[in-house]
Amino acid sequence: DGGITQSPKYLFRKEGQNVTLSCEQNLNHDAMYWYRQDPGQGLRLIYYSQIVNDFQKGDIAEGYSVSREKKESFPLTVTSAQKNPTAFYLCASSIDSQVIYEQYFGPGTRLTVT
Amino acid sequence: KQEVTQIPAALSVPEGENLVLNCSFTDSAIYNLQWFRQDPGKGLTSLLLIQSSQREQTSGRLNASLDKSSGRSTLYIAASQPGDSATYLCAVDTGNQFYFGTGTSLTVIP
Repeated sequence: DGGITQSPKYLFRKEGQNVTLSCEQNLNHDAMYWYRQDPGQGLRLIYYSQIVNDFQKGDIAEGYSVSREKKESFPLTVTSAQKNPTAFYLCASSIDSQVIYEQYFGPGTRLTVT
Repeated sequence: KQEVTQIPAALSVPEGENLVLNCSFTDSAIYNLQWFRQDPGKGLTSLLLIQSSQREQTSGRLNASLDKSSGRSTLYIAASQPGDSATYLCAVDTGNQFYFGTGTSLTVIP
């Protein structure tokens, strides 16, 4: 089955610890994205990558870091510098096309930091 | 910066009713607009994608329209069912980024 997987589904961490969220896709998509979703707010873009070894900051990149060493993988690290890390994190991918950028989403990871 | 608004924030209808969800955006320079469904605690499922050159797209009981010049899109759901209960989000693609609305939470009452 083709799709996007995110793991784990639930993640609990103590304040001050870095944590890495996994995102893997087997859709052969070039572009990958990380979003954060908070109650009552729309999805906000953290980072995106349109090609391996390249990524760009989104609207709320502070306190986060990413890498894109493989086409299939785009892990997100939530660092201790992120002031309010508790949220639902969604990974997405899309075919890098000049015309159509339909996005496909993973099931999400709910991160709770106490 | 593109801003996307969805009205209403919540909607409750009896089963069988037809309904319309609204999405508006501030910058008409978009590549496409995508409608998603999100169930509680889950990821987003793509429903319909409308390219900027298109006026509407249909899939089963769903019909989405796009009026770029006025910055509006609607999602029409025919003969609503309890299984349609979810949050519906629209997103516009400006080229490098997608901008999302805050969603409309739909409840279909049996």
